Amino acid sequence: QVQLQESGPRLVKPSETLSLTCTVSGVSMHHYYWTWIRQPAGKGLEWLGRIYSTGSTNYNPSLKSRLTMSVDTSKNQFSLTLTSVTAADTAIYYCARERVMDSAQLGMFNYWGQGTLVTVSS
Amino acid sequence: DIVMTQSPDSLAVSLGERATINCKSSQSILSSSNNKNYVAWYQQKPGQAPKLLIYWASTRESGVPDRFSGGGSGTDFSLTISSLQAEDVAIYYCQQYYNVPQYTFGQGTRLEIK
Repeated sequence: QVQLQESGPRLVKPSETLSLTCTVSGVSMHHYYWTWIRQPAGKGLEWLGRIYSTGSTNYNPSLKSRLTMSVDTSKNQFSLTLTSVTAADTAIYYCARERVMDSAQLGMFNYWGQGTLVTVSS
Repeated sequence: DIVMTQSPDSLAVSLGERATINCKSSQSILSSSNNKNYVAWYQQKPGQAPKLLIYWASTRESGVPDRFSGGGSGTDFSLTISSLQAEDVAIYYCQQYYNVPQYTFGQGTRLEIK
């Protein structure tokens, strides 16, 4: 069974860098896209970006200048870094994977981590 | 970006009654190549990650009770719970996956018991 678990600092100071890691278990990371989604408190869901197992990335244009994703398939992990954070970046951050059918990823998400709340505050 | 707009923002329905949530996309998310609508619905309970309920507008995910159904085409979609149960209290989100990979979600609809 596919499981995802986010980890990383829960508190980040304004203007600093937010870094999170998602550890994947139950499946090889190869040949899949791996995604980050966030949810500010009491608000909706925002797709941040995704990384393929080879390292190819797609980012939300609104965050592209501050966002970097990486993958380490040997550790079964992928990561997110967001630079120059502000209070607006305070949110629950989820890692997720798109549903797979006939070896194709379809764009909807059927595997999610439990989420980790990151607060940007001095 | 494709904007997904849900209505209403909140909804209170009596137990056993029907609940319907609507979602409108800013452009058609019906593919002419496969005649599929690229919309999914999720349920999110407090303190939990979203759970996929429906995709391709009307296909139920495995294990989802059949009281949940999805409909619509083009730009207008709906999620219906035929007979509301107490465990259905949650926030519901629609999502488009037509514009790959710039996926977007609706703002959410809070469903409560009347």
